[in-house]
Amino acid sequence: SAVISQKPSRDICQRGTSLTIQCQVDSQVTMMFWYRQQPGQSLTLIATANQGSEATYESGFVIDKFPISRPNLTFSTLTVSNMSPEDSSIYLCSLMTGDREKLFFGSGTQLSVL
Amino acid sequence: QKEVEQDPGPLSVPEGAIVSLNCTYSNSAFQYFMWYRQYSRKGPELLMYTYSSGNKEDGRFTAQVDKSSKYISLFIRDSQPSDSATYLCAMSEYRGGGNKLTFGTGTQLKVEL
Repeated sequence: SAVISQKPSRDICQRGTSLTIQCQVDSQVTMMFWYRQQPGQSLTLIATANQGSEATYESGFVIDKFPISRPNLTFSTLTVSNMSPEDSSIYLCSLMTGDREKLFFGSGTQLSVL
Repeated sequence: QKEVEQDPGPLSVPEGAIVSLNCTYSNSAFQYFMWYRQYSRKGPELLMYTYSSGNKEDGRFTAQVDKSSKYISLFIRDSQPSDSATYLCAMSEYRGGGNKLTFGTGTQLKVEL
């Protein structure tokens, strides 16, 4: 499986600011995904990021709040904009390799918004 | 009703015990079934993957799928303290031109010495 490096691993941010999370993969992958994991809730897909095209957002998530970049096949960023305490969560990048049903995750970014 | 239901625990067992973790689901379109293990402050790690009813074994882990009952289980034999983690079930269906995964909320497991 691919090695997925995600940073920062954790951050504490002030309300109204933005944080950009980076995800680096050691091999080229077509599709990368960004998930949110809130306490007591299931992993929720935010968006799918394809290289060379606009990200596809799931219901309840919008580009203005969660802009995503995918400049090449090994890198992606997710920005959490104009943060509020409700954005406190773990954010995870992920990808599929080989069998399309098998999803692999980065180590996650623990975000706390004060 | 959620598509996937999973008891959040926490579940505490003594070392060496057999652990049974379960998920139920309501969507008949789910075709693939997975178990992920997530240690504290880490991302989920794929543990088991299966696509048919029946059992699949990998070392101390056995994944069981019963599509007729819409019920999946993960058994851990001879549980170890290193098995202490949150276990997430996940299921996928083909939808909208791609595979869509739905996760359970996770069961927190603690194996005590």
